[in-house]
Amino acid sequence: EDQVTQSPEALRLQEGESSSLNCSYTVSGLRGLFWYRQDPGKGPEFLFTLYSAGEEKEKERLKATLTKKESFLHITAPKPEDSATYLCAVQAGKRGSQGNLIFGKGTKLSVKP
Amino acid sequence: KAGVTQTPRYLIKTRGQQVTLSCSPISGHRSVSWYQQTPGQGLQFLFEYFSETQRNKGNFPGRFSGRQFSNSRSEMNVSTLELGDSALYLCASSQNYGTGGAWKFGPGTRLTVL
Repeated sequence: EDQVTQSPEALRLQEGESSSLNCSYTVSGLRGLFWYRQDPGKGPEFLFTLYSAGEEKEKERLKATLTKKESFLHITAPKPEDSATYLCAVQAGKRGSQGNLIFGKGTKLSVKP
Repeated sequence: KAGVTQTPRYLIKTRGQQVTLSCSPISGHRSVSWYQQTPGQGLQFLFEYFSETQRNKGNFPGRFSGRQFSNSRSEMNVSTLELGDSALYLCASSQNYGTGGAWKFGPGTRLTVL
């Protein structure tokens, strides 16, 4: 069964304190792994897509990496505005479709000034 | 470029009623999918449409249905509402079909069933 597990469930950091969020997955026919950011009461905001092991993507203070079994979202010197829930999702490989996303439960990040 | 738009943003219904939610994808995007988000289950896939045809369906009862129009706009309907249907319903669109690629989400419709 396709599955995505994120850890930790919640993470509290001081401003400037770097850390990493983990996303482990099992899926047949991975077509892509996605990271989203979700603020309270809003829809998920797309951050990155990773397609193959070894791939890395960066955006401001965020860097996403991918291995064959997991992905990491590294946050360097976070600021309070980085506080949000970060969602990881894998795109399943059902033929004849664009591919639905299977989401993890998310990591709620709080960054204190 | 305008993002995915969903209407209404908030909705309150009572048990047994039915509801229709609307989604307009990003201009040029032809694939649309729907997700249900609850605190306990997280985001769960409902269905996916392309070219007015349902291409994929999640594990939800038949009370949940959807359709897509020729302009790629989509609607989803929930009949005989239950308390457990209270959730944030999210629509996403993608410019690709069959090749993978990013789904961009709308702000969601918050449905409360009393």
